[in-house]
Amino acid sequence: EAQVTQNPRYLITVTGKKLTVTCSQNMNHEYMSWYRQDPGLGLRQIYYSMNVEVTDKGDVPEGYKVSRKEKRNFPLILESPSPNQTSLYFCASSLGTSGASDTQYFGPGTRLTVL
Amino acid sequence: QKEVEQNSGPLSVPEGAIASLNCTYSDRGSQSFFWYRQYSGKSPELIMFIYSNGDKEDGRFTAQLNKASQYVSLLIRDSQPSDSATYLCAATDYGGSQGNLIFGKGTKLSVKP
Repeated sequence: EAQVTQNPRYLITVTGKKLTVTCSQNMNHEYMSWYRQDPGLGLRQIYYSMNVEVTDKGDVPEGYKVSRKEKRNFPLILESPSPNQTSLYFCASSLGTSGASDTQYFGPGTRLTVL
Repeated sequence: QKEVEQNSGPLSVPEGAIASLNCTYSDRGSQSFFWYRQYSGKSPELIMFIYSNGDKEDGRFTAQLNKASQYVSLLIRDSQPSDSATYLCAATDYGGSQGNLIFGKGTKLSVKP
């Protein structure tokens, strides 16, 4: 089944404790992206990757890191999480021949709480 | 700051009516536009995309794009209670690179039986 998977789905952590949210797709997509969704603020792009080893900032990259060492995986790293990073996170992927213009398929989401 | 704006709603329509959802965008360079549906607690799923001025129809859904007015709309004919969800409008940002997608905050639609 073609899908985007994220792990963990739920995470409660404490301020400053490094964490990684994994994202994997099995559709051989070139383009992958991370979003956060907050009430009243909507869905905002954090980072995206047009291809392996190519990443770029979205609208809200502060406090996050990403890497794209292989096509299928695009982990989101929070080196020192803070309470304002409490949010619902979505990973998405697309075929990528036209960047963000291709249809993006979203993962199920990761609900992160930072205490 | 490039923006996509939507009325947050809620928009309430009776079952069988036409629901009209609207969106405006600030970046004249945007070329691709998307409508996503998101049920509460779920991930967004694509409903329609549109690149060219005019109308695009897919079943009960019609997307309309007017680049001169920087306006995108989604019409849902014969609305069903299962259409009750938040609808997200998105536009590509070509100011920097091809990878950035800007979402509106969404319009909540409620279809009453």
